Amino acid sequence: NAGVTQTPKFQVLKTGQSMTLQCAQDMNHNSMYWYRQDPGMGLRLIYYSASEGTTDKGEVPNGYNVSRLNKREFSLRLESAAPSQTSVYFCASSIAGGYTFGSGTRLTVV
Amino acid sequence: GESVGLHLPTLSVQEGDNSIINCAYSNSASDYFIWYKQESGKGPQFIIDIRSNMDKRQGQRVTVLLNKTVKHLSLQIAATQPGDSAVYFCAENMAGGGFKTIFGAGTRLFVKA
Repeated sequence: NAGVTQTPKFQVLKTGQSMTLQCAQDMNHNSMYWYRQDPGMGLRLIYYSASEGTTDKGEVPNGYNVSRLNKREFSLRLESAAPSQTSVYFCASSIAGGYTFGSGTRLTVV
Repeated sequence: GESVGLHLPTLSVQEGDNSIINCAYSNSASDYFIWYKQESGKGPQFIIDIRSNMDKRQGQRVTVLLNKTVKHLSLQIAATQPGDSAVYFCAENMAGGGFKTIFGAGTRLFVKA
């Protein structure tokens, strides 16, 4: 029972580099989400996918893109990383409001 | 605007005592509330939830109270243990879907042995 699996756990990027954060869930949940968590702030929604084949912007989508590859997988891409994107990123899935979160990716952009 | 907030950013309790973590919400249309626990280096973990047609819900050592009149939510932890040390988030979910969930900034609970 893996739940939500995120990779990588840690990453350091140089400004301008690109990367993709991977997320997969094995609970057959329809909805998946990407959040970022910054010190002293609540989780902020970047993008979400209410169901396979759909994606929508959340509160802070600028600088990010997403792909709902299939029902299990939802990836987050940073095309040109900026220091402001230094954060901890969480993927989550849900089926009835309550979320199951991954363990997070700690990203540092220098 | 819509917001979910916490009255106390940190809470320190003695092992064995009861803990109460408070949360205020501002959207009267919210109909589902959740408490999450986040340990250091881990993702948030679901603890307990409550729907707006209830005032109280109990789990194992945890109780959530909802006061819709004053838009207040609380999490009570009985006989607090060192393993309860973590950041606790409240979240409100507007009717219609999980993608409308708003999370509070969190309260850090310290349990003193």
